[in-house]
Amino acid sequence: TQLLEQSPQFLSIQEGENLTVYCNSSSVFSSLQWYRQEPGEGPVLLVTVVTGGEVKKLKRLTFQFGDARKDSSLHITAAQPGDTGLYLCAGASGRDTQFYFGTGTSLTVIP
Amino acid sequence: NAGVMQNPRHLVRRRGQEARLRCSPMKGHSHVYWYRQLPEEGLKFMVYLQKENIIDESGMPKERFSAEFPKEGPSILRIQQVVRGDSAAYFCASSPLRDTQQETQYFGPGTRLLVL
Repeated sequence: TQLLEQSPQFLSIQEGENLTVYCNSSSVFSSLQWYRQEPGEGPVLLVTVVTGGEVKKLKRLTFQFGDARKDSSLHITAAQPGDTGLYLCAGASGRDTQFYFGTGTSLTVIP
Repeated sequence: NAGVMQNPRHLVRRRGQEARLRCSPMKGHSHVYWYRQLPEEGLKFMVYLQKENIIDESGMPKERFSAEFPKEGPSILRIQQVVRGDSAAYFCASSPLRDTQQETQYFGPGTRLLVL
């Protein structure tokens, strides 16, 4: 089993603050995806990173894939209440057919 | 241009009954994944199917659980003789590609199963 640990598990911040969520593993992944899930809904894909060291920006969200392709981070600048949700990372090893999901970070942005 | 459809959205069963969860992938997608999610947790892989084939069922319990993706119609996740521990949200995802490096999974809204 390839485990992805996310930290922190829970995060509650004020609107306008910055935050970083981490996704770590001892395994190497060929690609890593970040999803956001709102209560009662399915996960929605935010980004896929495939190259070690890759940085992708999506408006106020910055995603980084570690050089060794074992970890990733998601940084949100000037958080807004609409960013509230469960953030999930998922890795694909390339050797098998499934994606491995992280434990999730539940983010609450207080207006 | 419909997304992944799952029904029912909510399902209540008594212990010992059967639960049938349906998933219609996006148009043109021939790969379906089923996941299970407990509250405040990530998704746990259960099974990966292509049309008429089970490719990887390593995450699915050996007993009481089965899945199929027929040539025509939706994919079905079947849970026989449900127990309280089966209560969870079950998500289906579909994709058009086989290569997990390039693959994008599109998730359905999920089915919330409650076993009384």
